[in-house]
Parts: sequence; C-alpha cells; structure tokens
Amino acid sequence: LAKTTQPISMDSYEGQEVNITCSHNNIATNDYITWYQQFPSQGPRFIIQGYKTKVTNEVASLFIPADRKSSTLSLPRVSLSDTAVYYCLVGDIDAGKSTFGDGTTLTVKP
Amino acid sequence: SAVISQKPSRDICQRGTSLTIQCQVDSQVTMMFWYRQQPGQSLTLIATANQGSEATYESGFVIDKFPISRPNLTFSTLTVSNMSPEDSSIYLCSVVRPIDYNEQFFGPGTRLTVL
Repeated sequence: LAKTTQPISMDSYEGQEVNITCSHNNIATNDYITWYQQFPSQGPRFIIQGYKTKVTNEVASLFIPADRKSSTLSLPRVSLSDTAVYYCLVGDIDAGKSTFGDGTTLTVKP
Repeated sequence: SAVISQKPSRDICQRGTSLTIQCQVDSQVTMMFWYRQQPGQSLTLIATANQGSEATYESGFVIDKFPISRPNLTFSTLTVSNMSPEDSSIYLCSVVRPIDYNEQFFGPGTRLTVL
C-alpha cells in the first residue's frame, strides 16, 4: 500500500488560496489519488479525485505531476467553514486497498 | 450521492461485552468497508465486507474480534467482540457504488465508549 505524507497542520486567512501537498512515493500504476474533507463528528466527504495532470471541480483543484509521487490540493478563496481535516487517499478502491494519510488540519482565520 | 445510515450512532458499553453496528445504504453498492477512527487520529481500514463471502481483514484485525456480515448489497454489520477500553473509537461504514467509480461515501459513524 502506498504510504502518504502530509503536513500536520496549516493556517490560512479567509479569501486566501490554500495548497496542501501530499507525498506518495510508492504509488502504484492502478492507484488513484483522492482527497477527503472531515468535520468533527462527521464521516469524511469526497472533495476531488485524479490520476494524473490536473483536475478541477466546483470546490477544488488537484495537481498531479508526471511522476505521480505527490499531489497538491488547491482550495481557492477559503472561508471559515473550510476549517477541517483534509485527507489524502491513495489506492485502487476496486481492490479495497486504500490508505488514508494522517491528515492535515486546516484552520482558516478571519 | 449514497445515503448511509449507521445504528447506533453512539453507545457506552461495559468491558467484555459485544456490540453490533449496522450500516444501511439507500442503493446497491459494489463494495463496503469498515473503518476505525480513534480520537484525534486518521482512519484505519478494518476490513472489506464482501457480499456472499467472508470479509477481507487488514493486518492487525481478525475475524474473531471484528466479525462482519454482509447479507445483501445494501446492508452490513460489524461486531466489536469482547470489548476493552482500547476499542473506544468511532467506527465508520464506507461504500463504493458502481456508478461512482473510485469514490467512497462514508456513514456518520458510531461512537463507541468502552468502560
């Protein structure tokens, strides 16, 4: 299983762009990269997923370099409600082999 | 998105007893997973619940301690057996649907406290 490494915590201010990087040096060919958001007392919620290059949806962008050994979640113009733990997940879901990273606690300040 | 419910939402149990947690999904799913999240920690995969066959357990988790059933494509149970205070944790059910390739949906979790 690919092991992931993320910063433990990050601070930001409302309106700023936040970039959270995840390292996954042992990522396998069939592995996807997925990011989840978790608020206290709730289950994780899907944010975005990608395999390579760049993926963008209505809430975030995901940048994956050609070697796929890392990925960066980009949150544009964060608000206080974006304060949460963000997890980088690498694995082939169909094989049931996905590993959660330790998570990054993002704190958005006014 | 898939709607997942778990019962109970929380419980306080005595050492040595067992608790069965139910996970119900509003649609048929291909894969169901059970995770544990200890206070302040990340999620750890316990096992993959396979419909019609025995669950597949991750390293460090065994069937005798965490028996799992999955009688159909929308329901699964996880039993935490012979509980000790170290089992105090949040247990989460997660699913993947055929139309949501590679996207996992998570239930709200069951908060277990063992005294």
